[in-house]
Amino acid sequence: DIVMTQSPDSLAVSLGERATINCKSSQSVLYSSNNKNYLAWYQQKPGQPPKLLIYWASTRESGVPDRFSGSGSGTDFTLTISSLQAEDVAVYYCQQYYDTPLTFGPGTKVDIK
Amino acid sequence: QVQLQESGPGLAKPSETLSLSCTVSGYSISSGYYWGWLRQPPGKGPEWIGSMHHNGNSYYNPSLKSRVTISLDTSKNQISLKLSSVTAADTAIYYCARDACTGGRCDYMDVWGKGTTVTVSS
Repeated sequence: DIVMTQSPDSLAVSLGERATINCKSSQSVLYSSNNKNYLAWYQQKPGQPPKLLIYWASTRESGVPDRFSGSGSGTDFTLTISSLQAEDVAVYYCQQYYDTPLTFGPGTKVDIK
Repeated sequence: QVQLQESGPGLAKPSETLSLSCTVSGYSISSGYYWGWLRQPPGKGPEWIGSMHHNGNSYYNPSLKSRVTISLDTSKNQISLKLSSVTAADTAIYYCARDACTGGRCDYMDVWGKGTTVTVSS
């Protein structure tokens, strides 16, 4: 199985400031034949299901604010919230879909400082 | 707008078979997409259980495969999950979700149900 790790476990950021979440896979999730990274990011607010934010490591899902961006390749990825808003308080998960079983990271909790 | 709603008993006894259903509204599951089940133990990340297409193609998490059956009932527009020989380790919120791609597997999920909590306890 591809193991996903995330750092930090939690972070607190002031409103309007940048939040950066890291995700690392135990093996590369870059498929050489199409040069795509099989990596998605989800946001989960308390009592709600996960919500897809980003796929192919950097493609925003329709309707997702452009303050959310994804970057990285191979085994190291980053989700950036450029200007944290109150509604962004949530737990964020990365997920690889390069291989089955599909696996998720343990999550990073983002809060307001 | 596609909506998914899970249902089933909130409590199961150890060694029993857990049966859950997911009713899809706003889209006919026989028209396409893979439909899957995931679960999330308290305080942990989601765990993928398996996915199925109405054409019969299915794939499962090897760690659960021997205990899991996913089926689609197109007449009811429902996706079902059966998990046998449950233990306390199966206590989780269970979600059904839609694979994001209509033409085949994407393996990331763009529509999720609200989830149903299952506790395994005697």
